[in-house]
Amino acid sequence: AQSVTQLGSHVSVSEGALVLLRCNYSSSVPPYLFWYVQYPNQGLQLLLKYTSAATLVKGINGFEAEFKKSETSFHLTKPSAHMSDAAEYFCAVSDEKSSGDKLTFGTGTRLAVRP
Amino acid sequence: DGGITQSPKYLFRKEGQNVTLSCEQNLNHDAMYWYRQDPGQGLRLIYYSQIVNDFQKGDIAEGYSVSREKKESFPLTVTSAQKNPTAFYLCASSLASGGSYEQYFGPGTRLTVT
Repeated sequence: AQSVTQLGSHVSVSEGALVLLRCNYSSSVPPYLFWYVQYPNQGLQLLLKYTSAATLVKGINGFEAEFKKSETSFHLTKPSAHMSDAAEYFCAVSDEKSSGDKLTFGTGTRLAVRP
Repeated sequence: DGGITQSPKYLFRKEGQNVTLSCEQNLNHDAMYWYRQDPGQGLRLIYYSQIVNDFQKGDIAEGYSVSREKKESFPLTVTSAQKNPTAFYLCASSLASGGSYEQYFGPGTRLTVT
């Protein structure tokens, strides 16, 4: 069965600092991987997705993520944090063999940005 | 504008009452999903539907029911059998189910049962 682990339920960075949010997955076949962002009391918005076309994926708001098969990781990064990046971030995995129609979500990482 | 609407934003009910949460999409998506979100637990799948008049149980379907009579609508009923119904409920849709299709989310309904 597929699964997702997000290391660190809370991450705090200074404005202008590098953002690194970690995601490791478990999947028996090449997965599809997603990062979503959620602002307080709102739904989730897609930041980016990996579908095997390229290992480095660029998303919205300056975020990007790199798929590393050897490390089973899909970490999210942004070179310079902005106050508006404060939100909760979810990594999700899907593979057609084990889940068919479903996404499996991690438990989320709450990002705080200090002025 | 295309998107997913959920109503109401906040819902309060007494214990023992059934309550129905609305989800409508105008994206012409075939697949629709209901998730429950609790602090620190991420999103858990309640039910999903790949096509009209068909739906499948997710990981936590007990105490919930759904219907999919129209492509654009996927209402969720929280029944009195659900032991701990207070949560944030999210509806989503995708062009088709599974694989590389990303899901689009509504704004959510926060249900409080006392």
